[in-house]
Amino acid sequence: EAQVTQNPRYLITVTGKKLTVTCSQNMNHEYMSWYRQDPGLGLRQIYYSMNVEVTDKGDVPEGYKVSRKEKRNFPLILESPSPNQTSLYFCASSFGTTTGGLDNEQFFGPGTRLTVL
Amino acid sequence: RKEVEQDPGPFNVPEGATVAFNCTYSNSASQSFFWYRQDCRKEPKLLMSVYSSGNEDGRFTAQLNRASQYISLLIRDSKLSDSATYLCVVGRMDTGRRALTFGSGTRLQVQP
Repeated sequence: EAQVTQNPRYLITVTGKKLTVTCSQNMNHEYMSWYRQDPGLGLRQIYYSMNVEVTDKGDVPEGYKVSRKEKRNFPLILESPSPNQTSLYFCASSFGTTTGGLDNEQFFGPGTRLTVL
Repeated sequence: RKEVEQDPGPFNVPEGATVAFNCTYSNSASQSFFWYRQDCRKEPKLLMSVYSSGNEDGRFTAQLNRASQYISLLIRDSKLSDSATYLCVVGRMDTGRRALTFGSGTRLQVQP
């Protein structure tokens, strides 16, 4: 089954404790991205990746890191989480094409609900 | 001003009604447009892409007006299963950066 998986689905942690949220897709997509969703603000892009070893900042990258060592995986790393990073996080992937994913359907993972105390 | 703006609703309509949502975007360089559907606390899923000529998919019709920078979604013969939040999404290339910007969503509640 074609899908995007995220783990963990739910996480409660404390300020400053490093964490990683994994994202994996099995559709051979070039383009992957991370979003956070907060009430009234919609989904905001954190980072995206055009392909292996190619990443770039989205609209709200502060406090986050990513890596793209393999095509299928795109983990999101919070080195020192803070309460303002409490949010619902979605990973998404799509085919890249010449417009870098802008014209293509984004396939989303089921989301990770993160609470930082 | 937000880059993509939507009326948050909620729109409460009876089954069988026709309902229309609008979305405005501020960046004239935007090049791709979509409507996504999001059920409560679940992942967004593509409803339809929006083309300059307008496009229809069953009960759903999407239109794009580049001159006025707005996108619309029309749902005819509403079903209970149409209850969801509808997200307007705009894509653009900006100084080499590819950006997909999501609106905050319009909530639709279809009632029996």
